[in-house]
Amino acid sequence: QVQLQESGPGLVKPSETLSLTCTVSGGSISGYYWSWIRQPPGKGLEWIGYIYYSGTTKHNPSLESRVTISVDTSKNQFSLKLSSVTAADTAVYYCARHGSRASSSPYDYWGQGTLITVSS
Amino acid sequence: DTQMTQSPSSVSASVGDRVTITCRASQGIDNWLAWYHQKPGKAPKLLISSASTLQSGVPSRFSGSGSGTFFTLTISSLQPEDFATYYCQQTNSFPWTFGQGTKVEIK
Repeated sequence: QVQLQESGPGLVKPSETLSLTCTVSGGSISGYYWSWIRQPPGKGLEWIGYIYYSGTTKHNPSLESRVTISVDTSKNQFSLKLSSVTAADTAVYYCARHGSRASSSPYDYWGQGTLITVSS
Repeated sequence: DTQMTQSPSSVSASVGDRVTITCRASQGIDNWLAWYHQKPGKAPKLLISSASTLQSGVPSRFSGSGSGTFFTLTISSLQPEDFATYYCQQTNSFPWTFGQGTKVEIK
């Protein structure tokens, strides 16, 4: 059974960089696309971006150039960095796997999510 | 961006009721449409992909249909575990986008 687990600090100061890691267990990170999705408290879902195990990435233009997604296949992990954060970036952040080994396939496995609060 | 609009925003229903949720795309997305449901404090769970393909382990009371710009999710006989918020998502064009959600509540 594939499992995903997000990890990172729960509190980030405004203007700083949010850093999260997703650790994949029960399966290999190879051969799949992996995404980050976020959900502000009480609101809907927003796709942040994805990475292929080979390192190819795509991200949401709404986040401009603040997003960096990377992968470490040796650790079966992928990571998110979001720079220059503001209170608007406060959200539950999820990592997820695209099913069917295609970038356009929806997410069949999700992490439990981690709440990131941006506050001084 | 492709805007996804769900209707209704919320619905009150009883166990055993038939419930239909619609999702409309601002431009054609073929059948690149998925449905999820989400319970409070939990991650979303994939129910349907490619507009109508039921995921393994998902009860057959769930069904999806549509193509192009109009899609529906139907729960044929609502069960207690189905009370949740439902989201559609398009993966036809970047950025992938979700509907705003439909909350299915107990009447």
